[in-house]
Amino acid sequence: EVQLEQSGAEVKKPGESLKISCTGSGFSFTRYWVGWVRQRPGKGLEWMGIIYPDDSDTRYSPSLQGRVTMSADKSIRTAYLQWSSLKASDTAMYYCVRRASTGGHLDYWGQGTLVTVSS
Amino acid sequence: SYELTQPPSVSVSPGQTASITCSGDKLGDKFVSWYQQRPGQSPLLVIYENGERPSGIPERFSGSNSGNTATLTISGAQALDEADYYCQAWDTNTEVFGGGTKLTVL
Repeated sequence: EVQLEQSGAEVKKPGESLKISCTGSGFSFTRYWVGWVRQRPGKGLEWMGIIYPDDSDTRYSPSLQGRVTMSADKSIRTAYLQWSSLKASDTAMYYCVRRASTGGHLDYWGQGTLVTVSS
Repeated sequence: SYELTQPPSVSVSPGQTASITCSGDKLGDKFVSWYQQRPGQSPLLVIYENGERPSGIPERFSGSNSGNTATLTISGAQALDEADYYCQAWDTNTEVFGGGTKLTVL
């Protein structure tokens, strides 16, 4: 069974750093792109970017403007999303997703990690 | 940047057919996917490659894509279909989501 298990909810202050994770199981982790989707409270889905864990090839959404860094450790089947300096506007649910090998659809989603940034 | 436009809300009576549209420039040239998101849950893929259903998705869900518009159709809508629905396509190295449509079954 394909699963994407995400790290738990986080509460941070503005300016703090954060790294959240997504661990895949039930599939060949190095043969699929793993992406991240943001959903702010009460809002729609926003594409953040994607990483190929086998070689860490990464493609960011132009709208992110370098605010986050995606990485992966294929030896432990885990992808990461990190911030060096959080803002209140980063408060959101973050989903990791597996991108299907053909067609570009997102066939499996993690349970989400809620990040709250508040002073 | 590429944009996908969905109506904010659609209403349907139980047992009737609901249609949710997604519009974008030359969208018919791209593969479109649809996701269902119930309150408090992660999104779920219900249609991929315009009209294909993943395993476990009921046959009442179907999709089409032509010209500038993709359509998700739910035939014989049920109360449990009440959710937000998002279309998605790939354009120039990035995925794009529509703004989402809240489907109300009443």
